[in-house]
Amino acid sequence: RKEVEQDPGPFNVPEGATVAFNCTYSNSASQSFFWYRQDCRKEPKLLMSVYSSGNEDGRFTAQLNRASQYISLLIRDSKLSDSATYLCVVTPGDSSYKLIFGSGTRLLVRP
Amino acid sequence: GAVVSQHPSWVICKSGTSVKIECRSLDFQATTMFWYRQFPKQSLMLMATSNEGSKATYEQGVEKDKFLINHASLTLSTLTVTSAHPEDSSFYICSAVGRSSYNEQFFGPGTRLTVL
Repeated sequence: RKEVEQDPGPFNVPEGATVAFNCTYSNSASQSFFWYRQDCRKEPKLLMSVYSSGNEDGRFTAQLNRASQYISLLIRDSKLSDSATYLCVVTPGDSSYKLIFGSGTRLLVRP
Repeated sequence: GAVVSQHPSWVICKSGTSVKIECRSLDFQATTMFWYRQFPKQSLMLMATSNEGSKATYEQGVEKDKFLINHASLTLSTLTVTSAHPEDSSFYICSAVGRSSYNEQFFGPGTRLTVL
């Protein structure tokens, strides 16, 4: 079983739509959780950290459910520029430095 | 701030040759640097972790004699792919952690390696 699992998509949505991505992780000792965004042939860029209390950054809302080992990302009012691959990332319990990446969920926002 | 560069951005080489990729932290001192590899439509896979002045720690399944990592200074780490083969063709990305970055990794733009 992969350490971090994501639906690869693609999710094809119209501009203005709300879209949600989910991610599950297998290591219950995982300590930190993130969503990264990766554009084609580019490096990943940190979108936001994820906390149990949930956190929001503009149109983006992230949520963590430790009991279910489940992370979510909600994007409201999708823009064309949101088209990218969204990577779910966790740190293992034994090291705060290492990042374990999911294979990503591809989002396509159409006009 | 927190800019990481990689050089070259892309390279094409013949099978059997060696290729060196540089990763530099431009405006901070990187206590730790990481090397990742990403095949098409797959996730970033950590290859190794390197700390300045010490030997790199390789992940399981990564050949340390094939992927030579040198972290000689607080701003530079290099990855040398020795005797490259077509199956080594991939996107290689480095990241760096600074003393005051609260463990946040800053990524370089990546190097696309194609081995013919």
